[in-house]
Amino acid sequence: DAKTTQPPSMDCAEGRAANLPCNHSTISGNEYVYWYRQIHSQGPQYIIHGLKNNETNEMASLIITEDRKSSTLILPHATLRDTAVYYCIVRTNTGNQFYFGTGTSLTVIP
Amino acid sequence: EAQVTQNPRYLITVTGKKLTVTCSQNMNHEYMSWYRQDPGLGLRQIYYSMNVEVTDKGDVPEGYKVSRKEKRNFPLILESPSPNQTSLYFCASSLGFHQPQHFGDGTRLSIL
Repeated sequence: DAKTTQPPSMDCAEGRAANLPCNHSTISGNEYVYWYRQIHSQGPQYIIHGLKNNETNEMASLIITEDRKSSTLILPHATLRDTAVYYCIVRTNTGNQFYFGTGTSLTVIP
Repeated sequence: EAQVTQNPRYLITVTGKKLTVTCSQNMNHEYMSWYRQDPGLGLRQIYYSMNVEVTDKGDVPEGYKVSRKEKRNFPLILESPSPNQTSLYFCASSLGFHQPQHFGDGTRLSIL
Protein backbone atom coordinates (compact mmCIF):
# COMPACT_ATOMS: atom_id res chain seq x y z
CA ASP A 1 0.00 0.00 0.00
CA ALA A 2 1.25 3.42 -0.93
CA LYS A 3 2.40 5.68 1.87
CA THR A 4 2.30 8.79 -0.29
CA THR A 5 0.32 9.75 -3.37
CA GLN A 6 1.53 12.40 -5.79
CA PRO A 7 0.39 13.40 -9.27
CA PRO A 8 2.75 11.87 -11.82
CA SER A 9 3.44 15.13 -13.66
CA MET A 10 2.86 18.88 -13.55
CA ASP A 11 3.81 21.92 -15.59
CA CYS A 12 4.56 25.39 -14.30
CA ALA A 13 5.37 28.64 -16.11
CA GLU A 14 8.76 30.13 -15.38
CA GLY A 15 8.57 32.79 -12.68
CA ARG A 16 5.30 31.51 -11.30
CA ALA A 17 4.82 29.58 -8.08
CA ALA A 18 4.87 25.79 -8.38
CA ASN A 19 2.57 24.03 -5.94
CA LEU A 20 3.20 20.31 -5.63
CA PRO A 21 0.65 18.32 -3.62
CA CYS A 22 1.13 15.12 -1.67
CA ASN A 23 -1.32 12.90 0.17
CA HIS A 24 -0.06 10.90 3.16
CA SER A 25 -3.27 9.89 4.86
CA THR A 26 -1.68 7.07 6.90
CA ILE A 27 0.99 9.23 8.47
CA SER A 28 1.51 8.76 12.19
CA GLY A 29 1.66 11.55 14.71
CA ASN A 30 5.45 11.57 15.11
CA GLU A 31 6.41 11.08 11.47
CA TYR A 32 8.00 13.86 9.47
CA VAL A 33 7.20 14.72 5.87
CA TYR A 34 10.28 15.19 3.70
CA TRP A 35 10.65 16.58 0.20
CA TYR A 36 13.51 15.76 -2.13
CA ARG A 37 14.07 16.36 -5.80
CA GLN A 38 16.05 14.54 -8.44
CA ILE A 39 17.38 16.15 -11.57
CA HIS A 40 17.88 13.64 -14.38
CA SER A 41 19.57 10.61 -12.79
CA GLN A 42 21.59 12.54 -10.22
CA GLY A 43 21.37 11.71 -6.54
CA PRO A 44 18.24 13.12 -4.89
CA GLN A 45 18.66 16.49 -3.23
CA TYR A 46 17.04 17.40 0.07
CA ILE A 47 14.64 20.36 -0.06
CA ILE A 48 12.72 20.67 3.19
CA HIS A 49 10.97 18.69 5.92
CA GLY A 50 8.39 19.31 8.60
CA LEU A 51 6.31 17.69 11.31
CA LYS A 52 3.25 19.83 11.99
CA ASN A 53 4.01 23.46 11.36
CA ASN A 54 4.59 25.10 8.03
CA GLU A 55 8.25 25.45 7.15
CA THR A 56 10.21 27.75 4.87
CA ASN A 57 13.82 27.83 3.78
CA GLU A 58 15.80 29.37 0.97
CA MET A 59 14.54 26.79 -1.53
CA ALA A 60 10.87 26.29 -0.77
CA SER A 61 7.94 26.39 1.61
CA LEU A 62 6.13 23.40 3.04
CA ILE A 63 2.49 23.64 3.99
CA ILE A 64 1.10 20.77 6.06
CA THR A 65 -2.64 20.52 6.65
CA GLU A 66 -3.89 20.56 10.19
CA ASP A 67 -4.89 16.88 10.08
CA ARG A 68 -1.43 16.14 8.56
CA LYS A 69 -2.95 13.94 5.88
CA SER A 70 -1.58 16.05 3.06
CA SER A 71 1.04 18.65 2.31
CA THR A 72 2.09 21.04 -0.45
CA LEU A 73 5.56 22.01 -1.51
CA ILE A 74 5.74 25.52 -2.88
CA LEU A 75 8.55 26.79 -5.09
CA PRO A 76 7.77 30.50 -5.02
CA HIS A 77 9.37 31.55 -8.31
CA ALA A 78 10.04 28.51 -10.46
CA THR A 79 13.03 28.59 -12.82
CA LEU A 80 14.04 26.23 -15.61
CA ARG A 81 16.56 24.67 -13.23
CA ASP A 82 13.69 23.54 -11.01
CA THR A 83 12.62 21.02 -13.66
CA ALA A 84 13.01 17.72 -11.81
CA VAL A 85 11.18 14.84 -10.18
CA TYR A 86 9.94 15.82 -6.71
CA TYR A 87 9.46 13.18 -4.05
CA CYS A 88 7.28 13.49 -0.98
CA ILE A 89 8.52 11.02 1.60
CA VAL A 90 7.32 9.68 4.91
CA ARG A 91 8.75 7.08 7.16
CA THR A 92 7.17 3.65 6.77
CA ASN A 93 5.23 2.16 9.64
CA THR A 94 7.33 -1.01 9.71
CA GLY A 95 10.62 0.44 10.90
CA ASN A 96 13.24 3.06 10.29
CA GLN A 97 12.69 3.06 6.55
CA PHE A 98 11.73 5.66 4.00
CA TYR A 99 9.11 5.32 1.28
CA PHE A 100 9.97 7.48 -1.76
CA GLY A 101 7.23 6.54 -4.15
CA THR A 102 7.40 7.58 -7.80
CA GLY A 103 7.23 11.34 -7.32
CA THR A 104 5.94 14.21 -9.46
CA SER A 105 7.79 15.18 -12.61
CA LEU A 106 7.72 18.97 -12.68
CA THR A 107 8.43 20.72 -15.96
CA VAL A 108 9.04 24.46 -15.82
CA ILE A 109 8.08 26.03 -19.13
CA PRO A 110 9.77 29.19 -20.45
CA GLU B 1 33.86 18.94 1.19
CA ALA B 2 31.00 16.97 2.72
CA GLN B 3 30.12 14.12 0.45
CA VAL B 4 28.93 10.58 -0.07
CA THR B 5 31.18 8.68 -2.46
CA GLN B 6 30.11 5.59 -4.34
CA ASN B 7 32.33 3.31 -6.40
CA PRO B 8 32.19 2.22 -9.09
CA ARG B 9 29.95 4.68 -10.94
CA TYR B 10 29.30 2.23 -13.74
CA LEU B 11 29.71 -1.53 -13.94
CA ILE B 12 28.76 -4.14 -16.49
CA THR B 13 29.19 -7.69 -15.28
CA VAL B 14 27.78 -11.18 -15.71
CA THR B 15 25.32 -13.26 -13.76
CA GLY B 16 26.75 -14.94 -10.68
CA LYS B 17 29.97 -12.96 -10.37
CA LYS B 18 30.11 -11.47 -6.89
CA LEU B 19 30.45 -7.72 -6.73
CA THR B 20 30.66 -5.00 -4.11
CA VAL B 21 29.61 -1.38 -4.44
CA THR B 22 31.37 0.76 -1.90
CA CYS B 23 29.87 3.76 -0.14
CA SER B 24 31.81 6.15 2.07
CA GLN B 25 30.77 9.35 3.82
CA ASN B 26 32.98 11.94 5.49
CA MET B 27 30.35 13.63 7.66
CA ASN B 28 30.39 11.29 10.67
CA HIS B 29 26.79 10.38 9.94
CA GLU B 30 25.11 7.60 11.88
CA TYR B 31 22.32 6.67 9.45
CA MET B 32 23.23 5.17 6.07
CA SER B 33 21.06 3.58 3.45
CA TRP B 34 21.01 1.96 0.04
CA TYR B 35 18.32 2.52 -2.58
CA ARG B 36 17.71 1.19 -6.05
CA GLN B 37 15.89 3.10 -8.73
CA ASP B 38 14.03 1.48 -11.59
CA PRO B 39 11.83 3.07 -14.28
CA GLY B 40 8.26 3.44 -13.08
CA LEU B 41 9.07 2.25 -9.57
CA GLY B 42 10.85 5.25 -8.10
CA LEU B 43 13.43 4.79 -5.36
CA ARG B 44 13.11 1.75 -3.15
CA GLN B 45 15.10 1.19 0.00
CA ILE B 46 17.24 -1.96 0.06
CA TYR B 47 19.00 -1.86 3.43
CA TYR B 48 19.73 0.73 6.04
CA SER B 49 21.96 1.10 9.06
CA MET B 50 21.23 3.11 12.17
CA ASN B 51 24.84 2.88 13.40
CA VAL B 52 27.94 0.70 13.40
CA GLU B 53 27.08 -3.00 13.44
CA VAL B 54 23.35 -2.19 13.20
CA THR B 55 21.73 -2.99 9.86
CA ASP B 56 18.20 -3.83 8.80
CA LYS B 57 16.19 -4.70 5.73
CA GLY B 58 14.34 -2.17 3.68
CA ASP B 59 11.62 -2.86 1.14
CA VAL B 60 13.66 -4.89 -1.36
CA PRO B 61 16.53 -6.68 0.43
CA GLU B 62 16.45 -9.97 -1.49
CA GLY B 63 19.73 -10.74 -3.23
CA TYR B 64 21.73 -8.12 -1.33
CA LYS B 65 23.94 -7.99 1.73
CA VAL B 66 25.43 -5.07 3.62
CA SER B 67 27.85 -4.53 6.46
CA ARG B 68 28.65 -1.60 8.73
CA LYS B 69 31.96 -2.29 10.41
CA GLU B 70 32.97 1.36 10.43
CA LYS B 71 30.84 4.46 10.71
CA ARG B 72 31.97 5.93 7.40
CA ASN B 73 31.55 2.87 5.16
CA PHE B 74 28.46 0.95 4.11
CA PRO B 75 29.21 -1.45 1.24
CA LEU B 76 26.48 -3.16 -0.77
CA ILE B 77 27.28 -6.74 -1.70
CA LEU B 78 25.70 -8.79 -4.46
CA GLU B 79 26.83 -12.35 -3.79
CA SER B 80 25.34 -13.81 -6.96
CA PRO B 81 24.06 -11.01 -9.18
CA SER B 82 21.17 -11.66 -11.51
CA PRO B 83 19.79 -9.61 -14.42
CA ASN B 84 16.85 -8.36 -12.31
CA GLN B 85 19.40 -6.48 -10.21
CA THR B 86 20.28 -4.28 -13.15
CA SER B 87 19.47 -0.87 -11.79
CA LEU B 88 20.68 2.54 -10.65
CA TYR B 89 21.84 2.41 -7.05
CA PHE B 90 22.17 5.25 -4.57
CA CYS B 91 23.82 5.38 -1.19
CA ALA B 92 22.71 8.01 1.32
CA SER B 93 23.67 9.14 4.81
CA SER B 94 22.27 11.42 7.47
CA LEU B 95 23.31 12.62 10.89
CA GLY B 96 20.32 10.89 12.43
CA PHE B 97 17.16 9.25 11.23
CA HIS B 98 15.14 12.47 11.15
CA GLN B 99 17.87 14.53 9.53
CA PRO B 100 18.14 15.24 5.77
CA GLN B 101 19.82 12.51 3.76
CA HIS B 102 22.82 13.26 1.58
CA PHE B 103 22.97 11.12 -1.54
CA GLY B 104 25.87 9.86 -3.60
CA ASP B 105 26.04 10.30 -7.37
CA GLY B 106 24.76 6.81 -8.06
CA THR B 107 26.10 3.54 -9.44
CA ARG B 108 24.66 2.14 -12.63
CA LEU B 109 24.88 -1.66 -12.61
CA SER B 110 24.19 -3.86 -15.62
CA ILE B 111 24.04 -7.61 -15.00
CA LEU B 112 24.12 -9.63 -18.19
